[in-house]
Amino acid sequence: DIQLTQSPSFLSASVGDRVTITCRASQGISTYLAWYQHKPGKAPTLLIYAASSLQGGVPSRFSGSGSGTEFTLAISNLQPEDFATYYCQQLKSYPITFGQGTRLEIK
Amino acid sequence: QVQLVESGGGVVQPGGSLRLSCAASGFTFSSYGMHWVRQAPGKGLEWMAHISYDGIDKFYAHSVEGRFSISRDNSKNTLYLEMNSLGPEDTAAYYCARDRATVTTEYGMGVWGQGTTVTVSS
Repeated sequence: DIQLTQSPSFLSASVGDRVTITCRASQGISTYLAWYQHKPGKAPTLLIYAASSLQGGVPSRFSGSGSGTEFTLAISNLQPEDFATYYCQQLKSYPITFGQGTRLEIK
Repeated sequence: QVQLVESGGGVVQPGGSLRLSCAASGFTFSSYGMHWVRQAPGKGLEWMAHISYDGIDKFYAHSVEGRFSISRDNSKNTLYLEMNSLGPEDTAAYYCARDRATVTTEYGMGVWGQGTTVTVSS
């Protein structure tokens, strides 16, 4: 199975900041990677697919990059609604797996 | 609008069974692969199962293989998850999700339901 390791697990930032979250895969997954945002009590939402493609309706302050085993989600100009938990997910092979999550909180 | 609505959650005793449903609307259900994903209390997202658009191909997480069964009825626009031999570790919010694109799963899950909660307890 392909393991995904996110870092950091917890991130504290202020409105207006730029933050980056890293996702490392245990083996190469090309660009078969997605990023999700999840808020308590809500459905997760797809932010980025194919490692760097922005899902429709997602603000352009979100961006994704990487291929192979290392990937990054960047959020610029943090807004209050961005404070949530973020997950990477690999879709290269079954079983599909998620990273453990990165909780982004307001400083 | 595009919507997924889960139902069937509840409290079940250890060793028991439960069937979850996911009603789809606003899109051509029979064109998309579908998934079940869960989140245990205080834990992260865990992918459970995937079924292809035509119901032929099915894949499972190791933790549920042999106990859970995913199925779909395209005539009813409904996805199912049959859960057997439930244990406390299966307590979670269960979400159904749709592939972002038709034909392929590689672009992630673009539509999610609000979830239904399953509690396994005596």
